[in-house]
Order: sequence, then structure tokens, then C-alpha cells
Amino acid sequence: GAVVSQHPSRVICKSGTSVKIECRSLDFQATTMFWYRQFPKQSLMLMATSNEGSKATYEQGVEKDKFLINHASLTLSTLTVTSAHPEDSSFYICSARDGTGYEQYFGPGTRLTVT
Amino acid sequence: GQNIDQPTEMTATEGAIVQINCTYQTSGFNGLFWYQQHAGEAPTFLSYNVLDGLEEKGRFSSFLSRSKGYSYLLLKELQMKDSASYLCAVSLPAFGDYKLSFGAGTTVTVRA
Repeated sequence: GAVVSQHPSRVICKSGTSVKIECRSLDFQATTMFWYRQFPKQSLMLMATSNEGSKATYEQGVEKDKFLINHASLTLSTLTVTSAHPEDSSFYICSARDGTGYEQYFGPGTRLTVT
Repeated sequence: GQNIDQPTEMTATEGAIVQINCTYQTSGFNGLFWYQQHAGEAPTFLSYNVLDGLEEKGRFSSFLSRSKGYSYLLLKELQMKDSASYLCAVSLPAFGDYKLSFGAGTTVTVRA
């Protein structure tokens, strides 16, 4: 149980284009989903927290107009990187909570490369 | 800001024991997690401490002292597959829910 999937696992896009990453909870309802970014040899940095049906809460320094987050249902959240630039190349990881326990369940991550 | 400190790297021999320390100074505290992360993969849950004391789970144990802002992860009978990054994360209250603030991670290398 408690499986979180992400799609795509890897994506390469050209500078200036937009990329959408999906995060799904497969066997539970995720009241809260989190989006993290991880640069090489660094730790996970929380970008934003999203609750189903409401606006995401962004961490300080994260541009909400550049990283669009939609949490349309209790099993799906999407992160859209708009007008991507090479410095946005990173490992993006989502996680989800079911609202009952303390644990976050992590997805397998999406490797984004912007050329 | 949140300060969560852990050593950058540690090396140990197969079969040995390694202790990874984590100190934290955070605005709020709802518990402390330890995760294991292999390169290019997502973190996997190892342990969670919310009360002071030692939690043992097989070869892995985790200790917490809230008054000292200190935790450690103990890895016993090290195996080559334990070579990975180990992340200390503090659970913080956030808008009626919780969020995780991660340390920079400790890369453990197990040698034969």
C-alpha cells in the first residue's frame, strides 16, 4: 500500500517551453501533496505544499508563476514548469500524505533536463 | 530559517557499525524522520521519532533527544547495499498540516 507514482520519469525539453509533471497516489487519497526539488549532491528542498481544491502554498523564494501547481483531485497533483531554463534542470520529487498518519510517501522522481 | 546539520560523508567497513548524527534548531517540531536515498532515486522511509529515546528496527536504530535538539541513526552490521545518502528531516507544523525540512544528507560509503 501507499504507492505514489510520477510521470514522466525523465524529460528533456528546450529552453522556453513548459513541462508538466504528474504525481498520483495509487491506493490512497492524498489530502496533502508536496513538491520538492533536488540538485545534484544536495538535499531535498520543499517547493510547495498543495491541498486538494485549494491554492498551493509556496516556500519562500519559489516563483509561483513559474512553478504552477494544481491539486485537482485527492489522487492527482501536477507541477508545470513554465518557460523552462537550463537552471531549472533538476530532480523533482513529489510526496503525499493521507491525512491520518505522520508519514509522507514519496514518488520515484522526475529528472528534468532543459537544453 | 531552519538549521538541520549532519556530517557530509562517512566511510565504514562492511560488518561494522556507523552512527550518523543530526542536530537541529527549528521553529516548531512534530517529529524527526530518517530517510535513505540511493543516487537518482526517491527517499525511502527508515524511522520516525517523536518522543525521546531509542527506536529499534532491525539493523537500524534511531535516537532522539528533543531537549538537546539531537538525533542519531545507527546502522549495524553494515552491508555494501547500505552505501547511500541518509537524510535527517524535521517535521514542522504548517497551516494545519505538517511539512518536512531536510538536512543536507550524509553520504555513507561501505568498503569491503
